[in-house]
Amino acid sequence: EPEVTQTPSHQVTQMGQEVILRCVPISNHLYFYWYRQILGQKVEFLVSFYNNEISEKSEIFDDQFSVERPDGSNFTLKIRSTKLEDSAMYFCASSEYSPLHFGNGTRLTVT
Amino acid sequence: AQSVTQLDSQVPVFEEAPVELRCNYSSSVSVYLFWYVQYPNQGLQLLLKYLSGSTLVESINGFEAEFNKSQTSFHLRKPSVHISDTAEYFCAVSEKTAGNKLTFGGGTRVLVKP
Repeated sequence: EPEVTQTPSHQVTQMGQEVILRCVPISNHLYFYWYRQILGQKVEFLVSFYNNEISEKSEIFDDQFSVERPDGSNFTLKIRSTKLEDSAMYFCASSEYSPLHFGNGTRLTVT
Repeated sequence: AQSVTQLDSQVPVFEEAPVELRCNYSSSVSVYLFWYVQYPNQGLQLLLKYLSGSTLVESINGFEAEFNKSQTSFHLRKPSVHISDTAEYFCAVSEKTAGNKLTFGGGTRVLVKP
């Protein structure tokens, strides 16, 4: 069965550094998403992406965040200047319509 | 805007006993409903979904959930749990519009004891 794949599985970075989290959605899917889960908290929506543009974003998704689909397969989340509170598990998801299929996540640790 | 409430943050249960995880939602429009499971150190896996039709939906590993529109609930049940069911379970809803953004509940951690 096709899967959403995310790399790296774990990323450690220093506060203020830029990070790029990478995702390869399922190939025939049209909708792409990023969610995050701070340790011990609920899974929170960050952004959805359709037709090469952001279709919806949450309050969390401020100017420090950006998403891109640089080619036909990758979907990336960039955090320009990381803060301690950005430490979380970041999940990519894709869908053709419903339901969403999630990757295994990237654990981001900001020190 | 929709919201999801999972009343129980943790549910300890003995192996082979039944379990019920409660989920209530609120939304001004019709919704799709989902249960996702997160095993330790893994991602989110779809357990089952309600899109339309029969209000009782089942998964391949013995879980079932029933959509109750009048009570705005989508409780998850399993008549006999296994050690391998130890995981965190998330209820989620999406509005019946293009995009299908999911809103998650806070999760229920199930710990199955021998």
